[in-house]
Amino acid sequence: EDKVVQSPLSLVVHEGDTVTLNCSYEVTNFRSLLWYKQEKKAPTFLFMLTSSGIEKKSGRLSSILDKKELFSILNITATQTGDSAVYLCAVDVKAAGNKLTFGGGTRVLVKP
Amino acid sequence: GAVVSQHPSRVICKSGTSVKIECRSLDFQATTMFWYRQFPKQSLMLMATSNEGSKATYEQGVEKDKFLINHASLTLSTLTVTSAHPEDSSFYICSAHRQFSGANVLTFGAGSRLTVL
Repeated sequence: EDKVVQSPLSLVVHEGDTVTLNCSYEVTNFRSLLWYKQEKKAPTFLFMLTSSGIEKKSGRLSSILDKKELFSILNITATQTGDSAVYLCAVDVKAAGNKLTFGGGTRVLVKP
Repeated sequence: GAVVSQHPSRVICKSGTSVKIECRSLDFQATTMFWYRQFPKQSLMLMATSNEGSKATYEQGVEKDKFLINHASLTLSTLTVTSAHPEDSSFYICSAHRQFSGANVLTFGAGSRLTVL
């Protein structure tokens, strides 16, 4: 059974701090790993990672994938209160009929 | 681009009634859409895969007669919660599948919060 595990479950930081979120996976026929940010409503797409060692960046957010060790990290630097959200990691596998397997999410609270 | 509209965003109904939720892909065609349920402070739980022109595929433990899914066109899937009960109260989210750089990316609707009294 495909499995995606995120850690930590939650964390509280202050504005300006850097956070690192972890996502490990055990799946067969890996195709890609995706990160989403979920605030009050539906998840919004952040990154898609398919190759090891290539960092994807978008502003203060960055992510990288390690296909050998089967994990990905999402970094947020100089955090702001608007970064408070649940961050979801999902894995796309080739035989799953376009389904994504989601991790449990990491809840981030950024305090002023 | 890649917008998914979900309606209604919030619905309150009496126990025993049925509620329909719509999911539309506005600027792309989606042969496959997904329906999720999310309880407070929990991750998305896949309920079913909606396939245009064919029957939906339900995940284990999801009652297909309870959660009716219809995907009649390439841009619309509907989820009907039949004979709703208070335990069906939840946040329901749909997503539409599209190809992006050779990989599968899901675009999510804004979700529908169902409260059954």
